[in-house]
Amino acid sequence: EDQVTQSPEALRLQEGESSSLNCSYTVSGLRGLFWYRQDPGKGPEFLFTLYSAGEEKEKERLKATLTKKESFLHITAPKPEDSATYLCAVQALTGANNLFFGTGTRLTVIP
Amino acid sequence: DTAVSQTPKYLVTQMGNDKSIKCEQNLGHDTMYWYKQDSKKFLKIMFSYNNKELIINETVPNRFSPKSPDKAHLNLHINSLELGDSAVYFCASSPRTVNTEAFFGQGTRLTVV
Repeated sequence: EDQVTQSPEALRLQEGESSSLNCSYTVSGLRGLFWYRQDPGKGPEFLFTLYSAGEEKEKERLKATLTKKESFLHITAPKPEDSATYLCAVQALTGANNLFFGTGTRLTVIP
Repeated sequence: DTAVSQTPKYLVTQMGNDKSIKCEQNLGHDTMYWYKQDSKKFLKIMFSYNNKELIINETVPNRFSPKSPDKAHLNLHINSLELGDSAVYFCASSPRTVNTEAFFGQGTRLTVV
């Protein structure tokens, strides 16, 4: 069965303190891995898609990487506006083509 | 211009009632979805429609019935509401079913009392 586990569940950082969020996955053939950001009371907002091991994507202070078993979302010198819940989702090669989500990492960046 | 819009944003209703949530997307996408997010923030697919046709129907009670009158709309009707139906329901759309990101609406917080 497809499984996505995100860690840590919650993370508090000082402004400027870089860190990484982890997304471990088990899927019967990975079609794509997706990162989303969700602010309180809002819907998930798309950040990145990664398709194959070794792929990297960057956007401002965020960088996503992918291996055969996990993905990392690196946050460099975070700012308070980066505070949000970050969700990881996988889409499998076989079966239904929906996104299977993890439970997210709640990031708080303190000024 | 809201890409994926849902109404209402909040819905409070009594057990046993029937309610509907509406969703519209103006992105020209072929595929639309309904997701449910529980109190632990876990997002789970409920339904997926491609060009008005149902392609995914996860294990969801048949009290939940999606309806897609056209490619831009996917409504969710819920019969005989139960306490356990309380959650946030998200509508989403994507250009196609695979290898593409989904764009989410703002969510509808349903509270059954």
